[in-house]
Amino acid sequence: DVKVTQSSRYLVKRTGEKVFLECVQDMDHENMFWYRQDPGLGLRLIYFSYDVKMKEKGDIPEGYSVSREKKERFSLILESASTNQTSMYLCASSPPGQGSYEQYFGPGTRLTVT
Amino acid sequence: GNSVTQMEGPVTLSEEAFLTINCTYTATGYPSLFWYVQYPGEGLQLLLKATKADDKGSNKGFEATYRKETTSFHLEKGSVQVSDSAVYFCALTANTGGFKTIFGAGTRLFVKA
Repeated sequence: DVKVTQSSRYLVKRTGEKVFLECVQDMDHENMFWYRQDPGLGLRLIYFSYDVKMKEKGDIPEGYSVSREKKERFSLILESASTNQTSMYLCASSPPGQGSYEQYFGPGTRLTVT
Repeated sequence: GNSVTQMEGPVTLSEEAFLTINCTYTATGYPSLFWYVQYPGEGLQLLLKATKADDKGSNKGFEATYRKETTSFHLEKGSVQVSDSAVYFCALTANTGGFKTIFGAGTRLFVKA
């Protein structure tokens, strides 16, 4: 079974802190994604990556950056956390291809910025 | 641009009732369509998918048919169980201009015993 793991289930950080969210997948998938999930808004794509060292902005990249140094690991970085970044963060991976493949999700990290 | 609209929840049903969650989409080209389910405290997992017009996806008693003429992909189940209580997301991935997946806002389903 595909397994996508995220480094923390719950995280509490202070405004202005630099925050790292880590995601690891064990299925050798080329594609990895970071979303945030907010009530009534569904999932919104922050960043995605097609391959090692490659990244593309999603729909809401402001205030975030990413790193993909190894194929299995995709990190989301909040450069200076703000209260409006309090959310559920979901990582996902998928095989290469033009969209017919499903995404496999991690359990999520619920981040609270105070 | 591409978009997905699904019915607002919450939807509350009694056990063994019939379920329909409506989903319509706007997309260029020929998207693939998905239903994902999120159980409490978990990430999303694929429930079913359809990759071309008139395809029917099915899994665990749930079904959805890709209707290009009405741009719809409604989720149905004939007899829901308490264990089906979850949030359901309709999604599409267009195969033109990259392959970002667009998710609907989600519909929360409560099933009462």
